Amino acid sequence: GESVGLHLPTLSVQEGDNSIINCAYSNSASDYFIWYKQESGKGPQFIIDIRSNMDKRQGQRVTVLLNKTVKHLSLQIAATQPGDSAVYFCAEFTSGYSTLTFGKGTMLLVSP
Amino acid sequence: NAGVTQTPKFQVLKTGQSMTLQCAQDMNHNSMYWYRQDPGMGLRLIYYSASEGTTDKGEVPNGYNVSRLNKREFSLRLESAAPSQTSVYFCASRQPTNTEAFFGQGTRLTVV
Repeated sequence: GESVGLHLPTLSVQEGDNSIINCAYSNSASDYFIWYKQESGKGPQFIIDIRSNMDKRQGQRVTVLLNKTVKHLSLQIAATQPGDSAVYFCAEFTSGYSTLTFGKGTMLLVSP
Repeated sequence: NAGVTQTPKFQVLKTGQSMTLQCAQDMNHNSMYWYRQDPGMGLRLIYYSASEGTTDKGEVPNGYNVSRLNKREFSLRLESAAPSQTSVYFCASRQPTNTEAFFGQGTRLTVV
């Protein structure tokens, strides 16, 4: 089946910078796109999702942007903190199907 | 509220041995999942159970079997372990209409 992918395997930023993590998807039928965060030694944790009929959604310090024209998804983290260091996965979900399909992940490294 | 609990956390097997990974959730979720995570490969779906009494193959089911014992528990069995099954295994659960999946802490399995 179609899968979700990521552009950059590793992103290094300074504390206080804004971070942008990108993801390309191929399944135009997906209803939701989701971002998960995985800290070292832990399971992935839900951050934010966006419905396919939206362009932007904001959470606490995070914003997800969806560009359906180029099938591109991004996660913006404002004022990045050392605690944001983790692997970030994008995932897709299609209503009527039970599965979540994950991309390969991007590692975000935040230095003080 | 424990969420998703996986046992064991670590395991070393010899090639050909069998074992069962246990997973239990206390959130009354209908859907449960088993993923494996390998370096550079992201999370790949092994098997899932959309609801109690049903199981389906995911992306990489070969060499595995599952049992949805009841609504709370979903186990993954390796009948004859192979070195290629060395991985970190994650169990997850969610409600089918919700994009937020909850993950366990993972089982790090090494097959020698």
